[in-house]
Amino acid sequence: AQSVTQLDSQVPVFEEAPVELRCNYSSSVSVYLFWYVQYPNQGLQLLLKYLSGSTLVKGINGFEAEFNKSQTSFHLRKPSVHISDTAEYFCAVRPMDSNYQLIWGAGTKLIIKP
Amino acid sequence: NAGVTQTPKFRVLKTGQSMTLLCAQDMNHEYMYWYRQDPGMGLRLIHYSVGEGTTAKGEVPDGYNVSRLKKQNFLLGLESAAPSQTSVYFCASSWGSEAFFGQGTRLTVV
Repeated sequence: AQSVTQLDSQVPVFEEAPVELRCNYSSSVSVYLFWYVQYPNQGLQLLLKYLSGSTLVKGINGFEAEFNKSQTSFHLRKPSVHISDTAEYFCAVRPMDSNYQLIWGAGTKLIIKP
Repeated sequence: NAGVTQTPKFRVLKTGQSMTLLCAQDMNHEYMYWYRQDPGMGLRLIHYSVGEGTTAKGEVPDGYNVSRLKKQNFLLGLESAAPSQTSVYFCASSWGSEAFFGQGTRLTVV
């Protein structure tokens, strides 16, 4: 069985400051990893994904994430946030032995303070 | 370039009423999903489908039914709505690594 834990339900940060949103997972099989973003009153859209290769993955809007297999983590980072980054961020994993299964974290709300 | 389209976007139901939520995708994806999103609980899978004519239960299937008669459409039905089904419902489709989401349906059951 798999599970995904997003360690913070909310992260407040000042505009132009760096941010890290944490994601840890548990799985008995290898997984693919994803970060999705949900802007207010919208659906989710893919921010970035790790399938294989370099453990540092770059996504849209200046976000990046690093896959750490030994710590089973996939933390999301941005060096300087903007007010437009206000959203909820979801971490998800898909077991490599499944074509369709996605396991979701509970989400982290990023709150940008002016 | 529609992607995943959900109808309706908003609905208010009285307890005991029935309704159907429609999801349509134009990407020829095999897999489709219905999720509900409640505050602090992330996304919970209600039902999913791995192809036309197939459906399967997810994490929270009770009180819901689904059908996938055509590959592009995935319908979610509530036979007798309850206040506990007040939520935002998201449809998604996927083929390969990425899932694509609709804009959501905000359902209130009073």
